[in-house]
Amino acid sequence: DAGVTQSPTHLIKTRGQQVTLRCSPKSGHDTVSWYQQALGQGPQFIFQYYEEEERQRGNFPDRFSGHQFPNYSSELNVNALLLGDSALYLCASSLMTYSNQPQHFGDGTRLSIL
Amino acid sequence: ELKVEQNPLFLSMQEGKNYTIYCNYSTTSDRLYWYRQDPGKSLESLFVLLSNGAVKQEGRLMASLDTKARLSTLHITAAVHDLSATYFCAVDIGWETSYDKVIFGPGTSLSVIP
Repeated sequence: DAGVTQSPTHLIKTRGQQVTLRCSPKSGHDTVSWYQQALGQGPQFIFQYYEEEERQRGNFPDRFSGHQFPNYSSELNVNALLLGDSALYLCASSLMTYSNQPQHFGDGTRLSIL
Repeated sequence: ELKVEQNPLFLSMQEGKNYTIYCNYSTTSDRLYWYRQDPGKSLESLFVLLSNGAVKQEGRLMASLDTKARLSTLHITAAVHDLSATYFCAVDIGWETSYDKVIFGPGTSLSVIP
């Protein structure tokens, strides 16, 4: 049973560039959430996708956008990268209809901005 | 603005000892989660607490939730070195279903020493 998979694992970009991160949810899950985790801090909620729509959004600027595909996989796009965007980006999946089940996290994409 | 606080932020404890990590939050919620993160790794779900008075135990860890006091505790019994990790509590303030909007605490870095 495949867990949550994210790609790439590491990425180096320069300021002003754009980046796309990808996530495949755990088999059977239909909901994907994205988090940003800066070094030494707790993850910060970016947004959640369900039925190909953004349902909730954290306190992140419009430079952060996402998409969910019919197969439930998801992308996170970040435009006009800033040095402060350097972080570990985590994708988590869950099943919308079973609230007592845990959310499963992928191993993350470590993004470094030069 | 929702605040999720953890106490202590750093904890060094001897093997065999007991200790409690506290998680306080500033808004109404009856859903709280505990996660473990090892250095350089992703997050592992430990407990899903969904109601006032909920108590769950797994091995040497026990978590509880008091929604009236807006307090959750993670109790460690007879600590062993393998429990060394960072522990996060996370409060779910989504309004439709689970994981709509999850706010993490800053984490408690636990080190268990012989």
